[in-house]
Amino acid sequence: DTGVSQDPRHKITKRGQNVTFRCDPISEHNRLYWYRQTLGQGPEFLTYFQNEAQLEKSRLLSDRFSAERPKGSFSTLEIQRTEQGDSAMYLCASTLTPTEAFFGQGTRLTVV
Amino acid sequence: QKEVEQDPGPLSVPEGAIVSLNCTYSNSAFQYFMWYRQYSRKGPELLMYTYSSGNKEDGRFTAQVDKSSKYISLFIRDSQPSDSATYLCATREGPGAGSYQLTFGKGTKLSVIP
Repeated sequence: DTGVSQDPRHKITKRGQNVTFRCDPISEHNRLYWYRQTLGQGPEFLTYFQNEAQLEKSRLLSDRFSAERPKGSFSTLEIQRTEQGDSAMYLCASTLTPTEAFFGQGTRLTVV
Repeated sequence: QKEVEQDPGPLSVPEGAIVSLNCTYSNSAFQYFMWYRQYSRKGPELLMYTYSSGNKEDGRFTAQVDKSSKYISLFIRDSQPSDSATYLCATREGPGAGSYQLTFGKGTKLSVIP
């Protein structure tokens, strides 16, 4: 399968714990995005990488959130000291062109 | 006011009906317009995109953009039960905008009843 892959698909964590999600984009895609989607809402932009450089971050991305894309390949999104408000679907997307962003299946986070 | 407004529905139609889904947007800098389909607990899947105003057809799906009124539409002809999903409109700014980040509507949940 050559699509965008995300791991894990589901994560349940206790409030205050740290969690890390992984995204493997389509191999030739140089742009990688993280979005967050809560119930009944559309995805909201969190951050963007071009190759290994993180070029843009949304104000939604508090200092408890950090993202990396070492060597311009896979990316990780870490949330420290999770809060119940962090419960959401975290989506990764990659693109080579400006018109076609391909999304992964998402990681559903539940903070209890 | 959100940059992209979309009626969340839900919308329920009989099989074979023509479905009309709509969004409005407020940012004049938006030049690319997309429709994504999202099945329950899955990631969004790109259906169609258009650049600037005009129509685009792909099988049973037609996307329409009217930049003068900032109005985006998706029409589904001969709707099928397999079309039951949430439909998300998305927009982005034009060339030179940097990140190409997408701004989404809330999504409209569609059910096609056999």
